[in-house]
Amino acid sequence: NAGVMQNPRHLVRRRGQEARLRCSPMKGHSHVYWYRQLPEEGLKFMVYLQKENIIDESGMPKERFSAEFPKEGPSILRIQQVVRGDSAAYFCASSPRPGWADTQYFGPGTRLTVL
Amino acid sequence: GQQLNQSPQSMFIQEGEDVSMNCTSSSIFNTWLWYKQDPGEGPVLLIALYKAGELTSNGRLTAQFGITRKDSFLNISASIPSDVGIYFCAGQMGDYGGSQGNLIFGKGTKLSVKP
Repeated sequence: NAGVMQNPRHLVRRRGQEARLRCSPMKGHSHVYWYRQLPEEGLKFMVYLQKENIIDESGMPKERFSAEFPKEGPSILRIQQVVRGDSAAYFCASSPRPGWADTQYFGPGTRLTVL
Repeated sequence: GQQLNQSPQSMFIQEGEDVSMNCTSSSIFNTWLWYKQDPGEGPVLLIALYKAGELTSNGRLTAQFGITRKDSFLNISASIPSDVGIYFCAGQMGDYGGSQGNLIFGKGTKLSVKP
């Protein structure tokens, strides 16, 4: 059973470009969480999605950031018009049930560098 | 937003020594978790705690859920070089199995072991 997969592992963008980060949950998991980790910091919750629904986006910046989890395919975190402050590691976690914190499995992350 | 205060921020220890780190919060959590993150990877769950006062072991690791539900500690006994990494505490405020599963993380304790 493959774990949570994220791609790309590393992404370099220039200011003003768009960044698309993909997360494929573990088989059988229909709940996806996105977290951002700044250097020397802990992970900060961004958004929680189920298939085709955004359940909680309380941690998402109000502008430029969006997320989706379509019926088919991976979850996508999209950052438009990136700025240097968006440079961070972005992790997704998947879970078979909401609220089962101990069943959230994390992917290896995408490290975004904005030049 | 909610914060977890994790200490110490970093520590150097001699191989074979015991290690202790802790996490405190001004808010009550219903589940406490401890993760280890290796460089370039996502967090991996070490121990999950579900009840106030609970003491749980996983090999050389022992963790406790504080009676007040506002703190937790992690002990590593007889440290070895592969214990090097960053350890994070995390808490879930919602009920276990409830509708919310997003985690709040501490800033991490960076562990370095002298061989």
